[in-house]
Amino acid sequence: NAGVTQTPKFQVLKTGQSMTLQCAQDMNHEYMSWYRQDPGMGLRLIHYSVGAGITDQGEVPNGYNVSRSTTEDFPLRLLSAAPSQTSVYFCASSYGSGSGGANVLTFGAGSRLTVL
Amino acid sequence: QQQVKQSPQSLIVQKGGISIINCAYENTAFDYFPWYQQFPGKGPALLIAIRPDVSEKKEGRFTISFNKSAKQFSLHIMDSQPGDSATYFCAAGYNNNDMRFGAGTRLTVKP
Repeated sequence: NAGVTQTPKFQVLKTGQSMTLQCAQDMNHEYMSWYRQDPGMGLRLIHYSVGAGITDQGEVPNGYNVSRSTTEDFPLRLLSAAPSQTSVYFCASSYGSGSGGANVLTFGAGSRLTVL
Repeated sequence: QQQVKQSPQSLIVQKGGISIINCAYENTAFDYFPWYQQFPGKGPALLIAIRPDVSEKKEGRFTISFNKSAKQFSLHIMDSQPGDSATYFCAAGYNNNDMRFGAGTRLTVKP
């Protein structure tokens, strides 16, 4: 059982370049999300999806696009990378998004992105 | 504006000692308060969580204390071990769509 798989683990981009961070889960989770982790800022929610075909914005969505064509995959796209997007990105999934914490988030190992 | 404030930023504890990390939240609608543990190069993993209808939850050496009136909660690690050295994040939310994380505490347990 692989859990949540993120690729690539490391990436260096130049300002203005585009790229896609891949996220796949094999747990049949309905809910998937992307976070960025920056020193002193904790984890901040970028985008999330409560099921295939449904996406929504989180706390810091600007500069990022997502789509959810299948239950398993939730790619994060940077259309024109900026140095401010240098961060560690985590994908997470859970069975659902209901209240009360019944749906524990499972995180991937992270993707470290540097934008020069 | 950070809705969950976590302290301290870093903590050094001797083996066998007690590690205490504190968090405060603002939104009274939050009904789920998890703690995540993160080792270098890994993603965060759920350690322990509490709901506001109880004041304390214990799992092994890890205890959450929760004070609803003060809007504060804390993680206590008893008999801290070098293997506990990691970054700890508190979080608060009422569903996964709006989970707010603290800034993190880097814990070092010296042998």
